[in-house]
Amino acid sequence: AQSVTQLDSHVSVSEGTPVLLRCNYSSSYSPSLFWYVQHPNKGLQLLLKYTSAATLVKGINGFEAEFKKSETSFHLTKPSAHMSDAAEYFCVVSGEGSQGNLIFGKGTKLSVKP
Amino acid sequence: GAGVSQTPSNKVTEKGKYVELRCDPISGHTALYWYRQSLGQGPEFLIYFQGTGAADDSGLPNDRFFAVRPEGSVSTLKIQRTERGDSAVYLCASSPYPGRRSSGANVLTFGAGSRLTVL
Repeated sequence: AQSVTQLDSHVSVSEGTPVLLRCNYSSSYSPSLFWYVQHPNKGLQLLLKYTSAATLVKGINGFEAEFKKSETSFHLTKPSAHMSDAAEYFCVVSGEGSQGNLIFGKGTKLSVKP
Repeated sequence: GAGVSQTPSNKVTEKGKYVELRCDPISGHTALYWYRQSLGQGPEFLIYFQGTGAADDSGLPNDRFFAVRPEGSVSTLKIQRTERGDSAVYLCASSPYPGRRSSGANVLTFGAGSRLTVL
């Protein structure tokens, strides 16, 4: 069965410093992986997706993630945090059964200090 | 419409009452999804429609939950005999077509959600 583990429930960084949000996945086949962001009182927004093409995936707002099969990881990074990056981030893997069944991690809350 | 629209944005009800939550997907999107997000948790899959039919309802927790999409556009999630444990944000999403898992076509656009509170 597919699963994702987000290793940190809360990450706090200073504005202008790098961001690292960690995600490990478990899948019985080559997975599709996503990162979504959720700002307060707003819908989930897709940041980036991996679908077995390039292992380094670039997303919106300067975020990127690297698929590492040997480590079963898909960590999200950004070189320099901005105050507007403060939000909840979810690592997501496609479920094995239905193509509509996405499996979400529990989320990582990113705080950005001025 | 321009995005996925969900109504109501907030619903407070009493234990045992019946509730309907509505989702209006992006125009032309054939696939529609319902998820539930409890406090402090990631969204959990409930049901997925391809057109008018439920392609996968394996996430519905019990027979108090039911969803319809009679004309292949708007969907309604129905909850009977609500319980306090049903309190959560109910998220709807749509996509142009489900596609093959490897094609990357399965990118969902989410609505802002309906927050249900059962007293």
